[in-house]
Amino acid sequence: DGGITQSPKYLFRKEGQNVTLSCEQNLNHDAMYWYRQDPGQGLRLIYYSQIVNDFQKGDIAEGYSVSREKKESFPLTVTSAQKNPTAFYLCASSIDLKTQYFGPGTRLLVL
Amino acid sequence: AQSVTQLDSHVSVSEGTPVLLRCNYSSSYSPSLFWYVQHPNKGLQLLLKYTSAATLVKGINGFEAEFKKSETSFHLTKPSAHMSDAAEYFCVTMDSSYKLIFGSGTRLLVRP
Repeated sequence: DGGITQSPKYLFRKEGQNVTLSCEQNLNHDAMYWYRQDPGQGLRLIYYSQIVNDFQKGDIAEGYSVSREKKESFPLTVTSAQKNPTAFYLCASSIDLKTQYFGPGTRLLVL
Repeated sequence: AQSVTQLDSHVSVSEGTPVLLRCNYSSSYSPSLFWYVQHPNKGLQLLLKYTSAATLVKGINGFEAEFKKSETSFHLTKPSAHMSDAAEYFCVTMDSSYKLIFGSGTRLLVRP
């Protein structure tokens, strides 16, 4: 069963805590992306990676970090420096840098 | 710079009637254009994409969109709405560095 999986579906963060969101794909796509969605808004790009061991900042990278050690995995860490982390986080992947396919999302809530 | 404008934040239709979701684009060259749908608390699903091969693009679930260069539009249509079509729809384009640029979204309500 091919696709993009994100885990967990819901994640709770305490003040000062770093949390990591998982994104895995078995589509053999080279490019992967992380977006943030706030209520009633479109998506904003956090980080993207076009190839293993390489990634670039998107429009709102502050307070976030990523790694791309394997082609199929692109985890996102929300650090304590991100002061307003409550949002819906979406991961996507692409084989041709044009059409992006999205995972089911992770909702992050602050306790 | 590339951009898209979704002209309606909310659209309400009765089940079985046509759906029209409007999107205008701004681009200095032939754009790539997409329509995505998002059901509540779900990820985005690609409905269709325009990449200059044909001006009328057919997508999944009976949706289609027509690229009109003279009107700089890429409106999404469906002949007959179903209750399961109720969702948020995003018109999306792409800039020269392959970054997606999202419209603000249109929420479709389908009345029984």
